[in-house]
Amino acid sequence: GAVVSQHPSWVICKSGTSVKIECRSLDFQATTMFWYRQFPKQSLMLMATSNEGSKATYEQGVEKDKFLINHASLTLSTLTVTSAHPEDSSFYICSARDLFGRGRETQYFGPGTRLLVL
Amino acid sequence: AQKITQTQPGMFVQEKEAVTLDCTYDTSDPSYGLFWYKQPSSGEMIFLIYQGSYDQQNATEGRYSLNFQKARKSANLVISASQLGDSAMYFCAMRGANKLIFGTGTLLAVQP
Repeated sequence: GAVVSQHPSWVICKSGTSVKIECRSLDFQATTMFWYRQFPKQSLMLMATSNEGSKATYEQGVEKDKFLINHASLTLSTLTVTSAHPEDSSFYICSARDLFGRGRETQYFGPGTRLLVL
Repeated sequence: AQKITQTQPGMFVQEKEAVTLDCTYDTSDPSYGLFWYKQPSSGEMIFLIYQGSYDQQNATEGRYSLNFQKARKSANLVISASQLGDSAMYFCAMRGANKLIFGTGTLLAVQP
């Protein structure tokens, strides 16, 4: 099946630093990628929808300047957590939609990135 | 507004028995898709099964089947012959308006 990778799988950083997370679709092109955040024992919350070549669409309550999203190509989207603080510690998961709608299920998830801000 | 509701925060099932995980949804869109994902402790989201709103038959994928009752707006997941490896968090999700919205999840524990 289709594969979506994320890098890094986990990161620990000091408060105030910026962290970049990469999401790649490995064997298909994705015009649309999604970024989710999941706190412990909670559901996935959609943060933003990333469209190739255009600005991301952020969900209500998500700070655009805090979570910078870039979707520069059909296989890569990046999420940068700027000036990270301990409350940003979470599990971040990206998802990519197959451009050609392969099969019935066309949205695939990456393995996630665990961010811990100290 | 679209909404997904999973009312079972946790469930136990004996190995080799079948289990049903509940999911109800609300949407005004005539076209939508319903998904079930499994999330083990590793965190990855594993796609299990998909049901389109216009599909006439209930979806099945191996030991997974989706009991789709459109009039009741329910999309329950049935896992037959539970295995120890099925222990995980299960999320119901709905695609509408270009977004995938998730329920709160059900934690399934399979007992030997």
